[in-house]
Order: sequence, then structure tokens, then C-alpha cells
Amino acid sequence: DTEVTQTPKHLVMGMTNKKSLKCEQHMGHRAMYWYKQKAKKPPELMFVYSYEKLSINESVPSRFSPECPNSSLLNLHLHALQPEDSALYLCASSSQAGLDEQFFGPGTRLTVL
Amino acid sequence: EDQVTQSPEALRLQEGESSSLNCSYTVSGLRGLFWYRQDPGKGPEFLFTLYSAGEEKEKERLKATLTKKESFLHITAPKPEDSATYLCAARFGNEKLTFGTGTRLTIIP
Repeated sequence: DTEVTQTPKHLVMGMTNKKSLKCEQHMGHRAMYWYKQKAKKPPELMFVYSYEKLSINESVPSRFSPECPNSSLLNLHLHALQPEDSALYLCASSSQAGLDEQFFGPGTRLTVL
Repeated sequence: EDQVTQSPEALRLQEGESSSLNCSYTVSGLRGLFWYRQDPGKGPEFLFTLYSAGEEKEKERLKATLTKKESFLHITAPKPEDSATYLCAARFGNEKLTFGTGTRLTIIP
């Protein structure tokens, strides 16, 4: 099973809302990633978790808060977002950080009003 | 600064017309070159990993090759369902992937 799942598929939120994106993998991978992708642009790395510890934070604004409850789950908590944060948010996993290919989920399409 | 550059930005081919997509990268410190396919509104789908110059990988109508400074994705006799954006990404020795801007491929029936 090489599947990474993400929920929800679509999310519309106001600038004062708090919401969470969820990601799950059952491949036994020990590294998980959050990316942001704007239209017609490549994915931009936001966070890397390796063995459930945050190992890379690409200077992402504090209104994005990642959480890795266990090796299979990754959350992205959203608070006080701006309209420019509207994008496709992608989760990925790999066997270990810095090794091997990353497998991506289908993404969550986020719209901030 | 580590860089990955893809060309062309967009490519339109007739069904059955073979061609190649290019991905060039910063020469020093490459630890892996990855190709992905991405359909609109979906996550990238992993295609190939290449690690050393001279390496080749094939899958159906696609073949990826790697030299010391660039990678090619060759598509042979493409079909309309091969239409997608093809992304290459490189790892330069840390946990990050550096993505190119992609090639939007359209196959016309």
C-alpha cells in the first residue's frame, strides 16, 4: 500500500476560523512532510517531521502549526489565515527523511475568504 | 544555491509523437533525482528515482535518464492520457527536495 490519505479534500474558511488538515500513511514511513502549492507553481516545503520530531521549519508563519501525534499521522492546524494562504496543501511521506522518494497524498484545496 | 530548471515550460504533441523533457540541475552534491507526474488539482504521483549518471529507468511509455548535469524524461508514442504536468526534483544532501517548475504536457488526439 503506497497510499497517503488527506482530509478534507476541500476546505473553505474565514480569516477568524480555526481548522485542521489531517494526513495519514500506513507504509511504515518515518518521515512526513507538509507542502504548499499555488496554481502553476511547484510544491513549496513547509515542514518536515522525522521520527515524529520537527526537523525542518521553512520559516512558515505561526498561523500554521504542525503536529505529529504518531508515526502514521500528521496534522496542520490553521488559525487566522489570510486570503493569500489559499492553495493546495500536500502531505507526503518517505521511509526516512533525506532518503528515498516521497509519496504524496491527493491534497486539500484550501480557500480562505 | 541549489537549482533545478525544467524545459520546455509547455509542450503540445500529437498522439504518437515522441519527445523528451529536460531537467538540468546544479552539478555539485546531487543525492537523487526524482520525476513526478501531476494531474490538475491532485498530488504529484511518483514515477522514477535516479541516483547516478548513466542510470535509466522505464515505465510503460516513459523512460528517465540521468547524466552528470541533467535528466531527460523520454515519452514514446504518447497517448492523450499522458497529458499532465511533469515535475522533476533533486536532493542535494539534506532532507529537502528542490523542485523544478514543471513541464505541462498536452497530447492531442
